[in-house]
Amino acid sequence: AQSVTQLDSHVSVSEGTPVLLRCNYSSSYSPSLFWYVQHPNKGLQLLLKYTSAATLVKGINGFEAEFKKSETSFHLTKPSAHMSDAAEYFCVVSDQTGSQGNLIFGKGTKLSVKP
Amino acid sequence: SQTIHQWPATLVQPVGSPLSLECTVEGTSNPNLYWYRQAAGRGLQLLFYSVGIGQISSEVPQNLSASRPQDRQFILSSKKLLLSDSGFYLCARLGQGGTEAFFGQGTRLTVV
Repeated sequence: AQSVTQLDSHVSVSEGTPVLLRCNYSSSYSPSLFWYVQHPNKGLQLLLKYTSAATLVKGINGFEAEFKKSETSFHLTKPSAHMSDAAEYFCVVSDQTGSQGNLIFGKGTKLSVKP
Repeated sequence: SQTIHQWPATLVQPVGSPLSLECTVEGTSNPNLYWYRQAAGRGLQLLFYSVGIGQISSEVPQNLSASRPQDRQFILSSKKLLLSDSGFYLCARLGQGGTEAFFGQGTRLTVV
């Protein structure tokens, strides 16, 4: 069965410092992986997705993630945090093993950015 | 374009009252549709999915039900809300072999 583990429930960084949000997955085949961001009282916004093309995926707002099959990881990074990056981030894997498909969500990582 | 409309955006309901959240999809036919819930401090949990009109599958036992009266309409309901039904509800669909995911804006439900 597919699963997603976000290793940190809360990450706090200072403005201008790098961001690392960790995500590990389990899958019996090559999955599609996504990172979504949810700002307070807002819906989900797609940051980036991996769909078996380039392993280094660049997304919006300076975020990127690297798919590492050997480590079953898809960590999200950003070189320099902005105050506006404070939000909750979800790592998601697409599960196509059933006829209906499904999205498996991690439990989320809340990112705080200190001035 | 493929768009998911979900309403209302926020809702405050008393315990014991009924609930109806609606989700409609544009730009595609016969989509697989999903209802997720995010309870406070927890991740998103799949509640229901539907592969077609009148076809509903439930992932967890609960106080809620879902219906698919039309191809592009997916409704989440409850006859009597509980405090534990509070949370953020999200309608979604998968596209193109699972390589795309589309979400509504979500409904934040507070049961008081």
